[in-house]
Amino acid sequence: DTGVSQDPRHKITKRGQNVTFRCDPISEHNRLYWYRQTLGQGPEFLTYFQNEAQLEKSRLLSDRFSAERPKGSFSTLEIQRTEQGDSAMYLCASSWGQGLSYEQYFGPGTRLTVT
Amino acid sequence: AQKITQTQPGMFVQEKEAVTLDCTYDTSDQSYGLFWYKQPSSGEMIFLIYQGSYDEQNATEGRYSLNFQKARKSANLVISASQLGDSAMYFCAIFDPGNTGKLIFGQGTTLQVKP
Repeated sequence: DTGVSQDPRHKITKRGQNVTFRCDPISEHNRLYWYRQTLGQGPEFLTYFQNEAQLEKSRLLSDRFSAERPKGSFSTLEIQRTEQGDSAMYLCASSWGQGLSYEQYFGPGTRLTVT
Repeated sequence: AQKITQTQPGMFVQEKEAVTLDCTYDTSDQSYGLFWYKQPSSGEMIFLIYQGSYDEQNATEGRYSLNFQKARKSANLVISASQLGDSAMYFCAIFDPGNTGKLIFGQGTTLQVKP
């Protein structure tokens, strides 16, 4: 399977705990995106990597959020001191970024529940 | 800033009939792309179809076609010969040409196909 994978698929945590999610993009893709989706809404952009460089962060990404993409391969998204408002689906997507199409391939997502 | 509006929260269609899902967009850019994604209950975002702003012909992909009306800033998705497996959430998205390729999504439309 050469698609985008995410781990874990589900995470339940208590408020105040730290959580970390992992995304493995399609191997030849140089662009990687994180989105957050709350129930009944469309995904919202969080952050973007081109290779290992984090080139854009949304205002949604508070100081409690940090993302990395070491060596331009997999990426991690960490949330510190989780709050109930962090409960959402976290989606990772990757693309090759050729021309104007920039078709993004999404992973299955990590559903976070903060109790 | 780019914006996507999907005004149909929910739609019903009889199996084997065609259905149109509405999408209007707002952008001041001359170059942009429009995407449609399908999200079944499993949560994964599945790419359906793409239309570039300079494409002269409407995009088609199997049973999916995109009715692109640039002057009206609309990019409606047409699904022909609906199948039960088409029941899902559908999102329209605009590609941000600001060199990041991030997608800006609408609120989505839930489609239910009736047997």
